[in-house]
Amino acid sequence: SAVISQKPSRDICQRGTSLTIQCQVDSQVTMMFWYRQQPGQSLTLIATANQGSEATYESGFVIDKFPISRPNLTFSTLTVSNMSPEDSSIYLCSVWTGSSEKLFFGSGTQLSVL
Amino acid sequence: KNEVEQSPQNLTAQEGEFITINCSYSVGISALHWLQQHPGGGIVSLFMLSSGKKKHGRLIATINIQEKHSSLHITASHPRDSAVYICAPTLSSNYKLTFGKGTLLTVNP
Repeated sequence: SAVISQKPSRDICQRGTSLTIQCQVDSQVTMMFWYRQQPGQSLTLIATANQGSEATYESGFVIDKFPISRPNLTFSTLTVSNMSPEDSSIYLCSVWTGSSEKLFFGSGTQLSVL
Repeated sequence: KNEVEQSPQNLTAQEGEFITINCSYSVGISALHWLQQHPGGGIVSLFMLSSGKKKHGRLIATINIQEKHSSLHITASHPRDSAVYICAPTLSSNYKLTFGKGTLLTVNP
């Protein structure tokens, strides 16, 4: 199994500012993902965080807006840049350990942009 | 793109009832996950299926790869089962998921 610590759990931010969300995993994992869950919607994949290389972004998401770091196999950050109210969502990280048949999710970051 | 349809969108049951949630998807997949999301956002993975059937406690998940359909069953439902249940198929090696919109289950005592 894997235990994920995601911080912060929630934040209220001003328009135009940036917020960095962290995910720390208690074991080394190959695959780490960042998702967004807009109010009343299901999850949408933002990007796959690759260790030692640039993240792989999904259609509609760009590095300038959502820069991601993955310095090692246990840690990743997602930054939401130049925020607007439309960025108000829950952001979640997730890992796939490969050795088990389960995904593990962080507890989520509830972001509100005023 | 894989289109994922879940039904019903909302389900209200009385404690003890047998629950079925269905998931259909449009393209061939290698596996499908069933997830449970409680109020407050926490998501727990219940099952990953690539064929047949799996059982864990009161939960049973089945998948028919040829029919592109999966079901999640809850026997003897309990109010603590109240949550959003989400199916998420995945293509092969990239592990990227496509998520259904979820089924909101409310089990009344």
